[in-house]
Amino acid sequence: AQSVSQHNHHVILSEAASLELGCNYSYGGTVNLFWYVQYPGQHLQLLLKYFSGDPLVKGIKGFEAEFIKSKFSFNLRKPSVQWSDTAEYFCAVRPSNTGKLIFGQGTTLQVKP
Amino acid sequence: DAEITQSPRHKITETGRQVTLACHQTWNHNNMFWYRQDLGHGLRLIHYSYGVQDTNKGEVSDGYSVSRSNTEDLPLTLESAASSQTSVYFCASRASGTGDTGELFFGEGSRLTVL
Repeated sequence: AQSVSQHNHHVILSEAASLELGCNYSYGGTVNLFWYVQYPGQHLQLLLKYFSGDPLVKGIKGFEAEFIKSKFSFNLRKPSVQWSDTAEYFCAVRPSNTGKLIFGQGTTLQVKP
Repeated sequence: DAEITQSPRHKITETGRQVTLACHQTWNHNNMFWYRQDLGHGLRLIHYSYGVQDTNKGEVSDGYSVSRSNTEDLPLTLESAASSQTSVYFCASRASGTGDTGELFFGEGSRLTVL
């Protein structure tokens, strides 16, 4: 079955620290890849996405992600986190043979001021 | 601005009761989805629809049903609520065809507690 795995369930960082959240998926075909963010008390919103082309994609608020096809990975990065980045982050994959979006378990990021 | 609205935002019900969660979108999207969010499980797909009169089961559809009588609405019904259905429910929509950017637009969620 197709699945998405996020390695870190809970990450605690201090402001200005660098962030990398891991995401791996299990599907051998073409995929679209997404990172969504859910700020406390809010709905999910798109952070960035990859469809094709440059495997390094940039999103909002200084986030970026790199698609490494050989590793089935789509890790999220930010060079310097802020307290306002405290949120839950979800990796999601949409296999090309289905319109469904499959989400990972989510990673809770807590940034200490 | 286009949006998705869910109601109620919070509901407490008793085991065995029927519950309906409403979802209304003004994006004019053909594709609509219901997810439940639980700690440790992320978001899991319950049901989805690719257009009027079209409904499909997701990975956790047991105990839930949906109907799609128009483009704007996809109500989710719990036929006989169980404590295991205590969760936060999110409705989402996405454009189809040439308008499909892949992005899902989410409602603000409905928190359901089954006692």
